[in-house]
Amino acid sequence: GAVVSQHPSRVICKSGTSVKIECRSLDFQATTMFWYRQFPKKSLMLMATSNEGSKATYEQGVEKDKFLINHASLTLSTLTVTSAHPEDSSFYICSAAHAGGKSYEQYFGPGTRLTVT
Amino acid sequence: GNSVTQMEGPVTLSEEAFLTINCTYTATGYPSLFWYVQYPGGGLQLLLKATKADDKGSNKGFEATYRKETTSFHLEKGSVQVSDSAVYFCALSEGAQKLVFGQGTRLTINP
Repeated sequence: GAVVSQHPSRVICKSGTSVKIECRSLDFQATTMFWYRQFPKKSLMLMATSNEGSKATYEQGVEKDKFLINHASLTLSTLTVTSAHPEDSSFYICSAAHAGGKSYEQYFGPGTRLTVT
Repeated sequence: GNSVTQMEGPVTLSEEAFLTINCTYTATGYPSLFWYVQYPGGGLQLLLKATKADDKGSNKGFEATYRKETTSFHLEKGSVQVSDSAVYFCALSEGAQKLVFGQGTRLTINP
């Protein structure tokens, strides 16, 4: 089946620094990638949708200047949390999909735990 | 807007017990409904789906029926195993590729 990896799996950074999270589709070309955020005991919240080669579409309430998303190739998308603060600490999950795929045909990465101190 | 509500966990059962995890939804149209499972250390995987009312999704012994009249999609399994221990997410989609998730229910099965 389709495999999506994320790196790093855990990261701790100091307040005010930036951190980059990578999402890779290992065995298929992902024209669309999604970034989610999960708070403890809360549902996954879609942050943004990115299509290869174009700007990401952010959900309402998500700061595009704070959460920079790049989808430069068909197998890699990155999420950069800029000037991180403790309230950005969370579990970030990406998923990847083929072009024109159905909504359930998303393949999820294992997530990245970000802790901002 | 669309939303999904799951029963709160964690849920702890003994092996071979009957499982029900409740899920209800709110949607403006006619969504497709899904259950995803997340095993320890892994990403979410699609467990089963139903795309219209009265459809029953099934996989690995799990079942869920799309009930439009009660706006529900409860997950059931007749006899759980230790290997079913995971976090289960109910979700819906209305067109496009966007998914709306419930908060997840952690299930632990004891031998």
